[in-house]
Formats: sequence, C-alpha cells, structure tokens
Amino acid sequence: NAGVTQTPKFRILKIGQSMTLQCTQDMNHNYMYWYRQDPGMGLKLIYYSVGAGITDKGEVPNGYNVSRSTTEDFPLRLELAAPSQTSVYFCASSSETGGATEAFFGQGTRLTVV
Amino acid sequence: AQSVAQPEDQVNVAEGNPLTVKCTYSVSGNPYLFWYVQYPNRGLQFLLKYITGDNLVKGSYGFEAEFNKSQTSFHLKKPSALVSDSALYFCAVRDPSGGSYIPTFGRGTSLIVHP
Repeated sequence: NAGVTQTPKFRILKIGQSMTLQCTQDMNHNYMYWYRQDPGMGLKLIYYSVGAGITDKGEVPNGYNVSRSTTEDFPLRLELAAPSQTSVYFCASSSETGGATEAFFGQGTRLTVV
Repeated sequence: AQSVAQPEDQVNVAEGNPLTVKCTYSVSGNPYLFWYVQYPNRGLQFLLKYITGDNLVKGSYGFEAEFNKSQTSFHLKKPSALVSDSALYFCAVRDPSGGSYIPTFGRGTSLIVHP
C-alpha cells in the first residue's frame, strides 16, 4: 500500500550542484505532477505528465527538467542548483477520469541549497 | 483560466466550536472542487470533493463543505473543532471544460484550534 514514494526526504546541495528527486507510484495513475511549496505561497506546479513519454511545463519550470519513461516513475532533475530552489518538493499522481479524481501526494523532499 | 483564493492566511478557533475555512474560485465552466489537509512535515491528504449533485459534501474526519455556485465558494466546515484538526488546509479547483485536468491550488489556510 505504498502510494506515492519520494526520495530523498532531505537534502542539502551546494550552489551549482545537480541532483535528481525520485518519485514513483504504484497505483497505475496516468497523471503525475511536481510541485514546490514555499511558506505562504501555496503549491506551485513545476512540471506535469499525462502519461509515459509526455511531459509539459507548469507555472515555474525554470531550472528543472523531468522525464517520464514509465507509468510509475517521474523524476525531477535540478541542474546547477541555486538558493532560490530551496523549497519543499512534492510529487503527486492521479488517475484521470475527466478530472474528477483526487490527487495522491508523496511525503515531500526538503531541499536546501547553500 | 482557473483560479482559487483562500482569503485567510490563518483561522483561529476554540476546541468544540464550529470552524469555517473559506475558499472562492473562478472558472469558465462548471468546477470540480477539492479540499486537502497537510499536517506538519507531511504531504497533502485528500479530504473531500465536489463534482456534481448535492451542494453539501461530506468527507473525512467529520469535515464537510458547501458548494455555492452563485457566490463561487466552497467553504470547508466542521461543527465541532478538535485540537488535532490544527493543520494547513488547501482548496483546489479544476475546470474540465478547458480540456486540462491540472488542478490549481490555493495558498493554504493555517487552522489553529486552541484547547
């Protein structure tokens, strides 16, 4: 009964380093999302995917990249980390039947860039 | 374009009193509306949703929400608050008429229930 699993839970990066945030879901959901959460700012959509091989930009995609080679996995790549990328990152998935289904969220990755 | 607003950053209520967390939305068609709760250091959890039908929807942990089309609102309510209800609450909207099923989230409302 895993749902959406994110790794790592915490990470500290130095400016200019790169990393990949992993996200996997075992519910066979076609839609997957990456959000970042900053205090008082709610959730901002970074990238989303409507199925394997299909990805699209969200509201704040700069500095990030994604891929979706399988239904289960949706990794988020940070290239050349910057302090502005310090945030909590959430991966989510949903099984779309006309938009009426709720999203399932992972527990988040807290990233600090120093 | 779809949008959602949560006009209160924080709501304070005494334990045992009724609570309301406000949400208003803007869509071009008929909305799909959702409430989620986030406890500290956790991801968001689904509480309830309105898709169609009865304007009053009931969800987890005794929460309910009322869809009001004329006021474009979807306020979250609970008759008697518990200290354990203290958390961050997010309203979300989808406008399926636009062809995209991507939800838009509000900024969140921190609910604090005092003993």
